[in-house]
Amino acid sequence: EAAVTQSPRNKVTVTGGNVTLSCRQTNSHNYMYWYRQDTGHGLRLIHYSYGAGNLQIGDVPDGYKATRTTQEDFFLLLELASPSQTSLYFCASSGRDRPNERLFFGHGTKLSVL
Amino acid sequence: GDSVTQKQGQVTLSEDDFLFINCTYSTTTYPTLFWYVQYPGQGPQLLLKVTTANNKGISRGFEATYDKGTTSFHLQKASVQESDSAVYFCALVEGNMGYKLTFGTGTSLLVDP
Repeated sequence: EAAVTQSPRNKVTVTGGNVTLSCRQTNSHNYMYWYRQDTGHGLRLIHYSYGAGNLQIGDVPDGYKATRTTQEDFFLLLELASPSQTSLYFCASSGRDRPNERLFFGHGTKLSVL
Repeated sequence: GDSVTQKQGQVTLSEDDFLFINCTYSTTTYPTLFWYVQYPGQGPQLLLKVTTANNKGISRGFEATYDKGTTSFHLQKASVQESDSAVYFCALVEGNMGYKLTFGTGTSLLVDP
């Protein structure tokens, strides 16, 4: 079964703080995604990447940066965290040939910005 | 742009009840449609997928039919169990080779034993 591992599982920071969320996939997938999940909004795409060094802007990118350092690793950066970024963050990966065939999600990172 | 609408925020049923979760979509092309399920404490996982070629998806007792006329993709199950309690997301991707999923807001299902 495909594996996507996120860290940390929980994170608390203060307004203006600097946060990095990590994601590693061992599926040999090309595509990786960062979503946020909020009640009433479902899952919304922040950034995604189709390979090392590549970054594509999603639907809600403001206040977020991301970097894909290797095929396996995708990071989400909040450089000046705000309370509106309190959310549940999910990383996902999918294959190259049919990227929409199936997304594999991690267990999520719960972020609280005080 | 593409959009997916799930009007039911929460559904509460008893075991062996019939499940129907409504989903409608809006897109300029014929999309590929998905249902994802999220169990407590986990990330979403694919439940079933339907394309314009096959029109119906069936998985683990769940069924969804792609209706282009009404642009709907409702999820059904004849007899729910307590273990089906979860959040269900309808989602779409434009065309057949797109890579960006658009999710609905989710429907939380609670099944009482």
